[in-house]
Amino acid sequence: GDSVTQMEGPVTLSEEAFLTINCTYTATGYPSLFWYVQYPGEGLQLLLKATKADDKGSNKGFEATYRKETTSFHLEKGSVQVSDSAVYFCALSEAYTGNQFYFGTGTSLTVIP
Amino acid sequence: EAGVAQSPRYKIIEKRQSVAFWCNPISGHATLYWYQQILGQGPKLLIQFQNNGVVDDSQLPKDRFSAERLKGVDSTLKIQPAKLEDSAVYLCASPSRTGAFFGQGTRLTVV
Repeated sequence: GDSVTQMEGPVTLSEEAFLTINCTYTATGYPSLFWYVQYPGEGLQLLLKATKADDKGSNKGFEATYRKETTSFHLEKGSVQVSDSAVYFCALSEAYTGNQFYFGTGTSLTVIP
Repeated sequence: EAGVAQSPRYKIIEKRQSVAFWCNPISGHATLYWYQQILGQGPKLLIQFQNNGVVDDSQLPKDRFSAERLKGVDSTLKIQPAKLEDSAVYLCASPSRTGAFFGQGTRLTVV
């Protein structure tokens, strides 16, 4: 069945450091891939998405490229800020499974000044 | 557009009691999901509705959980009786072409 595997945390970085959070997936068909973010005390928010192979999703300085050959969708940011501290979830959705979302376990990021 | 509304935000109950959560999805959205997010884990689908019909409830513990969406708009998720392991955040979501919009969730603590 469909699933998402995410790099385990927690991750602690200094401000302006480079961030990578790894995500790989297993899917039956051709899924859309997402990164969601959950700030402390808040709900899940869509950060970025990609709907087909080689697409790059980007938002707020974060990027992720849909790599079909490696079934990956790694999240990157060149220079993190304290305000990026949150839990990041990789997810997939495909029509084959009724468009429901499958989430990874989440990666907690703390950015220190 | 307005977001997904959920209530209550927090609920504390004793085990074996019952509890209900309410969700009002984004107006006009036919599909509605209920997810359970246990602390330290990603959300897991409990049930998916399309209008007032159930599309997928294969992961819903039907001996204690029930959900309905009578008029194809708002939805209620009920747990009866609750167990300690039901402590989690219950999220309602409304999908769109760009992704899914999630409500703030109801944080349930069973003591």
